[in-house]
Amino acid sequence: DTGVSQNPRHKITKRGQNVTFRCDPISEHNRLYWYRQTLGQGPEFLTYFQNEAQLEKSRLLSDRFSAERPKGSFSTLEIQRTEQGDSAMYLCASSTPPSWDEQFFGPGTRLTVL
Amino acid sequence: GIQVEQSPPDLILQEGANSTLRCNFSDSVNNLQWFHQNPWGQLINLFYIPSGTKQNGRLSATTVATERYSLLYISSSQTTDSGVYFCAVKNSGGSNYKLTFGKGTLLTVNP
Repeated sequence: DTGVSQNPRHKITKRGQNVTFRCDPISEHNRLYWYRQTLGQGPEFLTYFQNEAQLEKSRLLSDRFSAERPKGSFSTLEIQRTEQGDSAMYLCASSTPPSWDEQFFGPGTRLTVL
Repeated sequence: GIQVEQSPPDLILQEGANSTLRCNFSDSVNNLQWFHQNPWGQLINLFYIPSGTKQNGRLSATTVATERYSLLYISSSQTTDSGVYFCAVKNSGGSNYKLTFGKGTLLTVNP
């Protein structure tokens, strides 16, 4: 029984560079979520996919952020022109019927922008 | 949006002690989850409990949705229970998919 996986686990980049993270949900989970967690805070919602359709984006997701889920399986989150304020843990979660409500989280990708 | 408040923010226990963590929320919910975040950042599901009471080993949880709170009980605490405990809710009247998290309770269990 494999859980949600995320790669890479850690990413260090210089300000202004682009980064891309990958999330593989639990097999056959059709809902996929991205959250961001900064130090000392709880995770905050970024965006949500139902299969390949992106149905909601938070105001936290600026124009520099883009997320895709092209075939309704894995998802990618890209940050363009990274800023120091983007340093955070990026968490992915998935869920599925019959209990669409219960979300299961991956280990996260910790981003450090120098 | 819905507000989630967790208390206490920090808790230090001796191994073997019992504790109660509280989660208050400002609006009606149709989902409530408790998580334990380990030192590596992984969120581990403890309970999916929009209402009622559940138990799993030394842990139990109660949600009283009509009074807008949930409690997480940890009995006979162990050092491995250390970490941050988060409550997260889904607002009945709002988005039907996003979880809103509290700021967490940092639990330290000393040997």
